Amino acid sequence: DAGVIQSPRHEVTEMGQEVTLRCKPISGHDYLFWYRQTMMRGLELLIYFNNNVPIDDSGMPEDRFSAKMPNASFSTLKIQPSEPRDSAVYFCASRGRGGKLFFGSGTQLSVL
Amino acid sequence: SQKIEQNSEALNIQEGKTATLTCNYTNYSPAYLQWYRQDPGRGPVFLLLIRENEKEKRKERLKVTFDTTLKQSLFHITASQPADSATYLCALDRGSSNTGKLIFGQGTTLQVKP
Repeated sequence: DAGVIQSPRHEVTEMGQEVTLRCKPISGHDYLFWYRQTMMRGLELLIYFNNNVPIDDSGMPEDRFSAKMPNASFSTLKIQPSEPRDSAVYFCASRGRGGKLFFGSGTQLSVL
Repeated sequence: SQKIEQNSEALNIQEGKTATLTCNYTNYSPAYLQWYRQDPGRGPVFLLLIRENEKEKRKERLKVTFDTTLKQSLFHITASQPADSATYLCALDRGSSNTGKLIFGQGTTLQVKP
């Protein structure tokens, strides 16, 4: 199994631009999570899905952030418009047996 | 408010010694607690899970304890090696059911010197 796959690995954009992060979870996992990691705030849960349905988006910072999961093998996290304070590493994770999470390698986002 | 606290200062130890990392929490009643390892530029990797009714869990050189009265977990690495150098994160579920909705501490960086 290739594990959780995220793309792009790095994204550099200018303030005001739209950013789309992508994630392919491990096949057979029915939960998918989006986290954001910064030095100041650590690893924060943004939103999670169960069977492609958003369950809890209370961690999404504001309306500029949106996430979708159109099918069991794909999810996107979109920021529109992006701001410098959105700069962080964004991780996608899917849930296996027993509640443990499998993380992707992350997307390093820099908004200039 | 709910908090998960890990030592923010890096832990430096000599190779061969036992490393002990602490995770304290307040205003949670987690059903289970997990520990993850994170290397620079990589995503966290699962190490161990311990349930509320378990006092201790072991896996090779790793040992985790869970004291729901003290609201604390200790993570031990025995016979530490330089390859154990990384950041270690504890995580708690926020619900009574096993949804996998984990909230993470800030992590403690361990440096094992040869």
